[in-house]
Amino acid sequence: GNSVTQMEGPVTLSEEAFLTINCTYTATGYPSLFWYVQYPGEGLQLLLKATKADDKGSNKGFEATYRKETTSFHLEKGSVQVSDSAVYFCALSTAGTGNQFYFGTGTSLTVIP
Amino acid sequence: GAGVSQSPSNKVTEKGKDVELRCDPISGHTALYWYRQSLGQGLEFLIYFQGNSAPDKSGLPSDRFSAERTGGSVSTLTIQRTQQEDSAVYLCASSLRHTNTEAFFGQGTRLTVV
Repeated sequence: GNSVTQMEGPVTLSEEAFLTINCTYTATGYPSLFWYVQYPGEGLQLLLKATKADDKGSNKGFEATYRKETTSFHLEKGSVQVSDSAVYFCALSTAGTGNQFYFGTGTSLTVIP
Repeated sequence: GAGVSQSPSNKVTEKGKDVELRCDPISGHTALYWYRQSLGQGLEFLIYFQGNSAPDKSGLPSDRFSAERTGGSVSTLTIQRTQQEDSAVYLCASSLRHTNTEAFFGQGTRLTVV
């Protein structure tokens, strides 16, 4: 079946620290992979995506590389800011019938000045 | 429309009452999803609509929950005889196609059952 396993939080970092949030997946076929972000009191919004192996998605200083050999899509940022405090969700989308978006449980990130 | 629109944004209801939550997806999006997010929890899949196909209802937690999508556009999630454990944020999302494309989320409806 299809599933996403995401690093559990909460994660607390100091401003300018390096961030990694691990995400691994199980999927049939060739999924697309996504990171969504949910800022406090807001809905989910797409942060970045990758649609095939070795693609790198990037946005707002965040990056993630689609690694088929390790079935991973880890989120990284070189220098976090207080404004990055949010909950981050890893997700995959597959072709086929039925529900096709599968989300991880989310990782809460707090960045302190 | 410009984005996925959900209404109401907040709903407080008494235990035992029925509620209806509305989702207006992005125009042209054929796929529509409902998720539930309880306080501090991840996303719980509820139901998925794709075009005219039979919906995937596998995530509905009980027969008190139902959803419909009229004319392939607006969707309504109905919860009958609400219970306190139904309190959560209900999120709707839509996507352009059902294959490997991103989903766009609404702001959600915060439901509180008192």
